[in-house]
Amino acid sequence: EDQVTQSPEALRLQEGESSSLNCSYTVSGLRGLFWYRQDPGKGPEFLFTLYSAGEEKEKERLKATLTKKESFLHITAPKPEDSATYLCAVRDMKTSYDKVIFGPGTSLSVIP
Amino acid sequence: NAGVTQTPKFQVLKTGQSMTLQCAQDMNHNSMYWYRQDPGMGLRLIYYSASEGTTDKGEVPNGYNVSRLNKREFSLRLESAAPSQTSVYFCASSEGGQPQHFGDGTRLSIL
Repeated sequence: EDQVTQSPEALRLQEGESSSLNCSYTVSGLRGLFWYRQDPGKGPEFLFTLYSAGEEKEKERLKATLTKKESFLHITAPKPEDSATYLCAVRDMKTSYDKVIFGPGTSLSVIP
Repeated sequence: NAGVTQTPKFQVLKTGQSMTLQCAQDMNHNSMYWYRQDPGMGLRLIYYSASEGTTDKGEVPNGYNVSRLNKREFSLRLESAAPSQTSVYFCASSEGGQPQHFGDGTRLSIL
């Protein structure tokens, strides 16, 4: 069964303290891994798509990387405005085109 | 540029009542989705529509129906609400593949 897990469940960082969030997945064949940011009371905001092991994408202080079993979202020198819940999702080759499985998310708090 | 608009933002229902959640997008996207989000469980797909006139079941379709009225609008209907359907409901759209643009959600409580 397809599965997506994220760790840690919650992370508290001091401003400027770099860290990484983990997304582990179990699918029969990966057709894409996606990262989203979700602010309280809002819908998710799409950040990145990764398709193959070794691929990396960057946006401001965020960098997403992908291996065959997991993805990391690296946050370099975070600022308080990076506080949000970060969601990971995957699309499996054997499922219908638009079916995407989401993980439960990591809640990030960056303290000034 | 509105993006994806959901109405209502909040709703309280009694068990057995019915209601329709509305969603509209102004980006001319083909694909639209309905998700529910519950604490600790992540977003789960209820129904999706790959194009106008087509709909398909997601992971948790029981108790829900959908209508893709036209390319802009995709509605979700609860025919007989149950407490287990208390959740936050998100509509999303994309050109295909993964959902890219989400609305801000409808917070639904069923007593």
